Amino acid sequence: EDQVTQSPEALRLQEGESSSLNCSYTVSGLRGLFWYRQDPGKGPEFLFTLYSAGEEKEKERLKATLTKKESFLHITAPKPEDSATYLCAVHYTDKLIFGTGTRLQVFP
Amino acid sequence: DAGVTQSPTHLIKTRGQHVTLRCSPISGHKSVSWYQQVLGQGPQFIFQYYEKEERGRGNFPDRFSARQFPNYSSELNVNALLLGDSALYLCASSWGTGDGYTFGSGTRLTVV
Repeated sequence: EDQVTQSPEALRLQEGESSSLNCSYTVSGLRGLFWYRQDPGKGPEFLFTLYSAGEEKEKERLKATLTKKESFLHITAPKPEDSATYLCAVHYTDKLIFGTGTRLQVFP
Repeated sequence: DAGVTQSPTHLIKTRGQHVTLRCSPISGHKSVSWYQQVLGQGPQFIFQYYEKEERGRGNFPDRFSARQFPNYSSELNVNALLLGDSALYLCASSWGTGDGYTFGSGTRLTVV
């Protein structure tokens, strides 16, 4: 069964404490892997798309990487405004298959 | 440029009623997809429409239906509402069927 698993479910970080979020998938015929940020009560906000193993993309304090079976979202020196749920999704045929997300809280 | 626009933002319905949710895609985008997000879960795919034709359907009952209009806007209809239909309904637009998806802010539906 096609599946996307994110870990950890929740993560609490001190401001400036770097960490990584994991997204593993068991989808064949991957057409792309997406990372989104979602604030409470809002729609997902696009961060990155990765298409092939070895690809990396960066935006401010975030860096996304992709291997054949998983992706990592690295957060360097996070700030409280980085607090949100981070969603991973794989693009498969006509749809996105989402993981359940990682709820990140960054404390000052 | 306006992003993906969804209406209404919130609504409350009674079990057994019908609801219509609306979505306007980004100008130039021809594809609209609908997702259901239950609290604490990731979004679940409901439908994709491209050039006014259904291109994909998720594992949802026939009470869920949708359509896309000539101006590429879309409606999601849900009949015979159940308590379990309470969720955030998200619309995403893209230029084609395999491009980056931009999401709207969603419609929060509460069924009582």
